[in-house]
Amino acid sequence: GDSVTQMEGPVTLSEEAFLTINCTYTATGYPSLFWYVQYPGEGLQLLLKATKADDKGSNKGFEATYRKETTSFHLEKGSVQVSDSAVYFCALRSMDSNYQLIWGAGTKLIIKP
Amino acid sequence: NAGVMQNPRHLVRRRGQEARLRCSPVKGHSHVYWYRQLPEEGLKFMVYLQKENIIDESGMPKERFSAEFPKEGPSILRIQQVVRGDSAAYFCASSPLLLQGSNGNTIYFGEGSWLTVV
Repeated sequence: GDSVTQMEGPVTLSEEAFLTINCTYTATGYPSLFWYVQYPGEGLQLLLKATKADDKGSNKGFEATYRKETTSFHLEKGSVQVSDSAVYFCALRSMDSNYQLIWGAGTKLIIKP
Repeated sequence: NAGVMQNPRHLVRRRGQEARLRCSPVKGHSHVYWYRQLPEEGLKFMVYLQKENIIDESGMPKERFSAEFPKEGPSILRIQQVVRGDSAAYFCASSPLLLQGSNGNTIYFGEGSWLTVV
């Protein structure tokens, strides 16, 4: 079945550091891929998405490229801020998973000033 | 959050009590989904509803859990005789069209309801 694997957290970085959070997936066909962010005490917000191979999603300085050859959708940001501290979830939707969505376990990001 | 409203945001219940979680989808959205997030885990699908119909409840526990989306009013997720293992964040989401395969339709999430069973 479909699955999503994220790097384990917490990830602790200093402000202005470069961020990479790895996400790999297994799925049938050509899934849509998503990154969601959950700030402390808040709900999920869609951060970015990509619906086909080689698409790059971007938002708020974050980027992720849909790499079919490596089945990956790694999240990157060139210079993180304290306000980026949150839990980041990678998710996919495919012909098999539809609205059920398949979620990674989440990666907690802590940015220190 | 594009207008999905959930309440209460936080709910504390003693073991054996009932918990009712409400969700008002984005205006005009007729597809509602409930997900559960256990501590330190990703979300898991529970149920998909359209107005007055349960379409897919394959992710719902067989006992104590029920969901509805009446013609008028919000969708309700009801948990009877709660146990400590029900403590989780429950997220509601809605979409204007059915999410199918890898189409680009967007799903909008509410801010979640955090249930704590003591």
